[in-house]
Amino acid sequence: ILNVEQSPQSLHVQEGDSTNFTCSFPSSNFYALHWYRWETAKSPEALFVMTLNGDEKKKGRISATLNTKEGYSYLYIKGSQPEDSATYLCASDSGSARQLTFGSGTQLTVLP
Amino acid sequence: DVKVTQSSRYLVKRTGEKVFLECVQDMDHENMFWYRQDPGLGLRLIYFSYDVKMKEKGDIPEGYSVSREKKERFSLILESASTNQTSMYLCASSPQTGGSTEAFFGQGTRLTVV
Repeated sequence: ILNVEQSPQSLHVQEGDSTNFTCSFPSSNFYALHWYRWETAKSPEALFVMTLNGDEKKKGRISATLNTKEGYSYLYIKGSQPEDSATYLCASDSGSARQLTFGSGTQLTVLP
Repeated sequence: DVKVTQSSRYLVKRTGEKVFLECVQDMDHENMFWYRQDPGLGLRLIYFSYDVKMKEKGDIPEGYSVSREKKERFSLILESASTNQTSMYLCASSPQTGGSTEAFFGQGTRLTVV
C-alpha cells in the first residue's frame, strides 16, 4: 500500500488570507497525482490531475504544483473565501490497476 | 454532467444483517470503485471493477463483497454487518483511457450499524 500523507490535518484561516497545503507521496512508481475538493454534504470533485514533474495547474484562485522527484505536491488558495471551506484530498495513481491511494485530507475552514 | 448516484444517503442497520449499497453511473464508465471514509484515515479502497462481472479486491475487502452484473451498476454487499463497518461509503467511476483520469464520486452513504 502506498503511503500518501497530507498536512496539515486541519486549518482555520481568515477570509482573504492565502494558504497552502502539502501532499507527499512515494516517488517510485509514480503515474499521476490527483487533487479533490470535498464540501460537506456534497460529492468529492476533482480539481487537478497532474502527471509531469514541475507541472503547475490553476483553476481560478486555486493552483497546484508537482515535484515527482521528491514526491510532493502543494495546493495553494489565494484570497480564501468562506465557500472554499472543504476537505482537500490528494491521491496518488501508481498506474497499477487504476487504483488511487488517498491521503487523509486537509480540512480547511475559512472564517468570515 | 457525469452522475454517480448512490441509493441511500443514510442507512441504519442491525448487527448481522445483510446490507446492500447500490451505485449507478450514467456515463458508460468502465471503472467503478467502492471506498470507505473514516476520520483521520482518508478514503480506503474496498473493491473495484474495470468491467462487467469483473472485480478486484482493494486494500480492505474483508467483510465485503461486490456485484457488477451491468456496466452502470456496482453493488457493495456487507454479508453480515458489524459495528466496525459503521462508516461513510463512497462509490466512484472513471473512464478507461490510456492516462490517469479523474474519478467521479457519488454523494456517499453514511451507514450506521447498531
